Amino acid sequence: DGGITQSPKYLFRKEGQNVTLSCEQNLNHDAMYWYRQDPGQGLRLIYYSQIVNDFQKGDIAEGYSVSREKKESFPLTVTSAQKNPTAFYLCASSKAHTTETQYFGPGTRLLVL
Amino acid sequence: GEDVEQSLFLSVREGDSSVINCTYTDSSSTYLYWYKQEPGAGLQLLTYIFSNMDMKQDQRLTVLLNKKDKHLSLRIADTQTGDSAIYFCAGLNSGNTPLVFGKGTRLSVIA
Repeated sequence: DGGITQSPKYLFRKEGQNVTLSCEQNLNHDAMYWYRQDPGQGLRLIYYSQIVNDFQKGDIAEGYSVSREKKESFPLTVTSAQKNPTAFYLCASSKAHTTETQYFGPGTRLLVL
Repeated sequence: GEDVEQSLFLSVREGDSSVINCTYTDSSSTYLYWYKQEPGAGLQLLTYIFSNMDMKQDQRLTVLLNKKDKHLSLRIADTQTGDSAIYFCAGLNSGNTPLVFGKGTRLSVIA
């Protein structure tokens, strides 16, 4: 059963803490993306990766970091530098970068304690 | 770069048709997409249209593209309560940049 999984579904962060959101895909897609969704804001691109060991900043990369050590995995770390991390985080993948449709995971909701 | 605009809310009665509109700025957009998001879930691809097409129909969904006016619409026939969701329009241009999403239109279906 092919698809994109994100874990956990809910995540709580304490002040000053780094947390990591998981995104895994078994679609054999080259490109992966992280978006942040706030109410009424739509989707904003945080980081994307077109190939293993390479990634680019999106529109709101400050306070976030990523890695792409494996084709299947693109974890997102929300660092303590991100002062307003409460949001719904969506991971997506596409077969290639510029011409292919994106498919989304179920999302992770991050809340600050 | 691409910019995509949508109205934020739409309310229709069950059984009526819904029309969700979207405008975009980049005339080089090669693909235009519609995604659906149900509460607490990820985005589900509904349909997409190539820029060389004017219309695409898929069961209850009809997509119309007016390239001259840079206007895209999604018509849902016989709207059901299960269609209540947020609908996102997204554009992909020929440059090396990811999809650009509108802010989403929240469709409410009244029984």
